[in-house]
Amino acid sequence: GNSVTQMEGPVTLSEEAFLTINCTYTATGYPSLFWYVQYPGEGLQLLLKATKADDKGSNKGFEATYRKETTSFHLEKGSVQVSDSAVYFCALKERNNRLAFGKGNQVVVIP
Amino acid sequence: NAGVTQTPKFQVLKTGQSMTLQCAQDMNHNSMYWYRQDPGMGLRLIYYSASEGTTDKGEVPNGYNVSRLNKREFSLRLESAAPSQTSVYFCASSEMRLTSTDTQYFGPGTRLTVL
Repeated sequence: GNSVTQMEGPVTLSEEAFLTINCTYTATGYPSLFWYVQYPGEGLQLLLKATKADDKGSNKGFEATYRKETTSFHLEKGSVQVSDSAVYFCALKERNNRLAFGKGNQVVVIP
Repeated sequence: NAGVTQTPKFQVLKTGQSMTLQCAQDMNHNSMYWYRQDPGMGLRLIYYSASEGTTDKGEVPNGYNVSRLNKREFSLRLESAAPSQTSVYFCASSEMRLTSTDTQYFGPGTRLTVL
C-alpha cells in the first residue's frame, strides 16, 4: 500500500538557520504530494503541494521538489524564523482522494 | 466564510459514555473526512464521505460511526467511549474534483479525553 516516511525525531535549530525535513514515499503511480503545517493548538494548513515529477511547490519561503527517481519530497527553508515553529506533515494523495500522512516532525526554532 | 468548524473544542468522557462530534463546512465541498491524531502516529483516517449520502471506512473505523447529515455537515459518534479513543479529532473537507490538485481543508480539532 501507499505510505509516507518522515525522518525521526524533533528538529531544533537557531533562527536564520537552514531547515531540511526529509520525506520519502511508497506509492503506485505518481501521486500528488503535499506538505501541511500545524501551529500550536490549531488544525492543519496546506503549506505547499506538487502534482507531478520535477514540480516545485513553494510558499512562505518553503520549497519542496517532487523527485520521482528518489521518491522524495523534502521540505527546505533557507532562513527559519521563530514563527516557523510548528509540526510539519508530509502527505500523498491516493487514487480515491484520501490522504496518507507521515508521522510529522516537530520543528522548534530558538531565537 | 468560516471554513471548517468543529464542536466541541474540548471534551472529557467517562468510559462507556457516548458523544457526537460535530463538523460543518461552508465551502460547498463534496467530500468530508474524520481523522484522529495521536503522538508519534501522524493523522489516521477514521471515516470519510466522498459525497452527500455516502460514507466509507478509513484506516481505523472500529468504535466509531458517522453520519453525513447534508452536504455541509458530517458528524462522528462514539457509542461507548474507551480510553484508547483519547485523541485529537480533526474534520476536513475537499471539493473532490477529478483533478490531482484537490486540497483538503482542516478544522481546528476536538481534544477528547476518555477516563
